[in-house]
Parts: sequence; structure tokens; C-alpha cells
Amino acid sequence: GAVVSQHPSRVICKSGTSVKIECRSLDFQATTMFWYRQFPKQSLMLMATSNEGSKATYEQGVEKDKFLINHASLTLSTLTVTSAHPEDSSFYICSAAHSSGGANTQYFGPGTRLTVL
Amino acid sequence: GENVEQHPSTLSVQEGDSAVIKCTYSDSASNYFPWYKQELGKGPQLIIDIRSNVGEKKDQRIAVTLNKTAKHFSLHITETQPEDSAVYFCAATPYSSASKIIFGSGTRLSIRP
Repeated sequence: GAVVSQHPSRVICKSGTSVKIECRSLDFQATTMFWYRQFPKQSLMLMATSNEGSKATYEQGVEKDKFLINHASLTLSTLTVTSAHPEDSSFYICSAAHSSGGANTQYFGPGTRLTVL
Repeated sequence: GENVEQHPSTLSVQEGDSAVIKCTYSDSASNYFPWYKQELGKGPQLIIDIRSNVGEKKDQRIAVTLNKTAKHFSLHITETQPEDSAVYFCAATPYSSASKIIFGSGTRLSIRP
């Protein structure tokens, strides 16, 4: 149980285009999902917390108009990178909070590799 | 806010030997400490976790210890195998409703055959 999927796993796009990444909790409902980005050989950096039915909470320094987050259902959150530029190239990972045994454990998706040309 | 420090950044051990990764945290309100394993090109996978009311937890070859007074916790892997090679992240979070996880900087573990 507690499986999280992401789609697509890899995307290459031209500079200036927008890219949407989906995050799904497959076998549980998640009122809260998280979006991270990870640069090579670095730790995960939290971008935003996505709450079902409400606006996302963004971390300091993350542009909410550039990284649009929608959490329309208890099993789906989407991250849209708008007007992508080469510096947005990164590994984007989502996680979903699952109340297993009383702890709100986060389970991670497999990640999406974004390359902006 | 919470700050998690992790050491060492890289670790190489002979197959069959034990590996130990150590982390410290700063916020005494943190009471849930998960450990994640990340293989190349994949998302982090939860391997073990511990809560602040427990001092030690073991799952087969993996164990985690917690010293709440000193604010440090450790991951122990015994009888290491080649498939244990990966990046390991410790983390800390308050035990509340879907709180943010604060990650350590990661340890790249290599198992020498």
C-alpha cells in the first residue's frame, strides 16, 4: 500500500512552454501533498504544500505564479511549470501524506525529470 | 525552524560490514524521524521511521536509534549488501497533521564487493 505515482517520468520541452506534472496517490486519499525539486547530488528542497480544496502554501523564494499547483481531488495534485526556462531543469518529486498507524508519513512518487532546452 | 544535519556525506564499506549514518536536529518539537533511501533517478523510499517515544527500532538488517535528550538519531545497516548502495536521507518533523519534513543533506553509501 501507500503508492504514489507521477506522470510523466521524463519530459523535454522548449524554453517558454509550460509543463504539467501529475502526482497521484493510488491506494489512499491524501488531503496534503508536497512538491519538491532536487538538483544533482543535493537534498530535496520543498517547493510547496498542496492542500485539497485550498490554495497551496509556497516556500520562501518559490514563485507561485511560475509554479502553479492544483489539488482538485484527494488523489491528484498537479504542478505546472509555466514559461519554463533552462534553469527550471531539475528533478521534481511529489509526496503524499498518509496516516499510517497514527503518523502522517510521506510517501514519495518516482519523480519527473524536466529538461528545458 | 528545524535544522537537520547529517554525517557523513559519503560512506564506503566492505560488503558484509556495518554502516552507520548519524543525524542531529535542532527543534525539540520534532518527534517523528523517517529515513529514506534514494536510488539513482528514483524518488525517495521510506525504509524505517521512529517516533520520539521510542529509543530504538529494528527491521531486519536496518535499525534506527534516537537520543531525544541529545537530539540525535542514527541509522544502522548490518551485513551490508551491494543493493544497499544508494543515497540515504534522514528527516525530522513535528508529529502533527501532515507537517513539513526537514531533510538532512544525504549520505551516499557505497558497498565495496
